[in-house]
Amino acid sequence: NAGVMQNPRHLVRRRGQEARLRCSPMKGHSHVYWYRQLPEEGLKFMVYLQKENIIDESGMPKERFSAEFPKEGPSILRIQQVVRGDSAAYFCASSPSLGAGTGELFFGEGSRLTVL
Amino acid sequence: AQSVTQLGSHVSVSEGALVLLRCNYSSSVPPYLFWYVQYPNQGLQLLLKYTSAATLVKGINGFEAEFKKSETSFHLTKPSAHMSDAAEYFCAVTVNAGKSTFGDGTTLTVKP
Repeated sequence: NAGVMQNPRHLVRRRGQEARLRCSPMKGHSHVYWYRQLPEEGLKFMVYLQKENIIDESGMPKERFSAEFPKEGPSILRIQQVVRGDSAAYFCASSPSLGAGTGELFFGEGSRLTVL
Repeated sequence: AQSVTQLGSHVSVSEGALVLLRCNYSSSVPPYLFWYVQYPNQGLQLLLKYTSAATLVKGINGFEAEFKKSETSFHLTKPSAHMSDAAEYFCAVTVNAGKSTFGDGTTLTVKP
């Protein structure tokens, strides 16, 4: 059984470029979460999505960041016009549908973004 | 809103010694509580979880945690540390099976 798959594992961008991070949840999971981990810090919630719906985006910066989870294909976290402060590890996690789980998250190995 | 506080960003123990990592939570409704472990350059793996059943929860690799409602705590313990336990540990709280809120993490160092 494939776990949560994230790609790319490492991404280097210059200031002002766009970064796209992809996440395929575990088979049978319909909920996706994105977290950001800055160096020497914990995980900060960004956004929670179900297929074609954003459920909670209270942790997303108001500008430059967007997320989607289309009916077909992976979830995508998009960062436009990246700045050095966006350098971090971005983790995707998935869970079963509400009522089918206990809030446990299954994590991917992360995408590490470096902005030059 | 829920929150988690992990006391001590770094804990160092000798191999074979007791491991105690502290976690206190705040939640307005009965929470689900979790401990995750993260090895370098990897994602988080679930160690154990509390979901309102037994208050003493046993997890993988010999770890366990006790839910104490009166103290709003969920401390992680292991009787005897092993070198392979060196990692970063995160406590997390979830309510209504929604998003999880994580503590800032505790780095565990195990000395030979």
